Amino acid sequence: DSGVTQTPKHLITATGQRVTLRCSPRSGDLSVYWYQQSLDQGLQFLIQYYNGEERAKGNILERFSAQQFPDLHSELNLSSLELGDSALYFCASSELGTNQETQYFGPGTRLLVL
Amino acid sequence: QKEVEQDPGPLSVPEGAIVSLNCTYSNSAFQYFMWYRQYSRKGPELLMYTYSSGNKEDGRFTAQVDKSSKYISLFIRDSQPSDSATYLCAMSASFGGGGADGLTFGKGTHLIIQP
Repeated sequence: DSGVTQTPKHLITATGQRVTLRCSPRSGDLSVYWYQQSLDQGLQFLIQYYNGEERAKGNILERFSAQQFPDLHSELNLSSLELGDSALYFCASSELGTNQETQYFGPGTRLLVL
Repeated sequence: QKEVEQDPGPLSVPEGAIVSLNCTYSNSAFQYFMWYRQYSRKGPELLMYTYSSGNKEDGRFTAQVDKSSKYISLFIRDSQPSDSATYLCAMSASFGGGGADGLTFGKGTHLIIQP
């Protein structure tokens, strides 16, 4: 158990809908990362937050947004969902959000868009 | 060409064999190299972490980085059925002043250890 929690575990929704994925980092970690894992693209970095502020952006679509709250939990919002958004979404956390640190991954949220 | 290339496998070996997993990369800025293990329907967990070139050993696992060839390897000795999983290489660049841009992952190699 990494100490990172994610809810829900599974999510089934329809095209065009909007969903929110939630992540709680390990105790003491200030930085949260979001990743998407699909069969064809593998695991891809979406976005990073550090202590409430956006720090880095990867391959995140404009339909997707995220935020980190004062209690350090983070939410990833996915809107206007398409079939291709079906994937595993992972959250990871680290203490200071630097390259030298280990990122600890949560168990993921499996999203299925029908 | 993708930044990180990794053979997806599956790689099937008998129990007790030495396993060799590899990744190649194209971005010479990568300085930090990691191997993650991912069991089915679970999140990735860190196995090995290496900075720059060289070898690192931890129990049955050895990680090697050759920056001149842009090639990294993970060796597993005395492989066990419990080692059956997907192994993902990951890497990141150093920007000196701190900050991170997330990790760049290979697609993962599916490893099967036959009892």
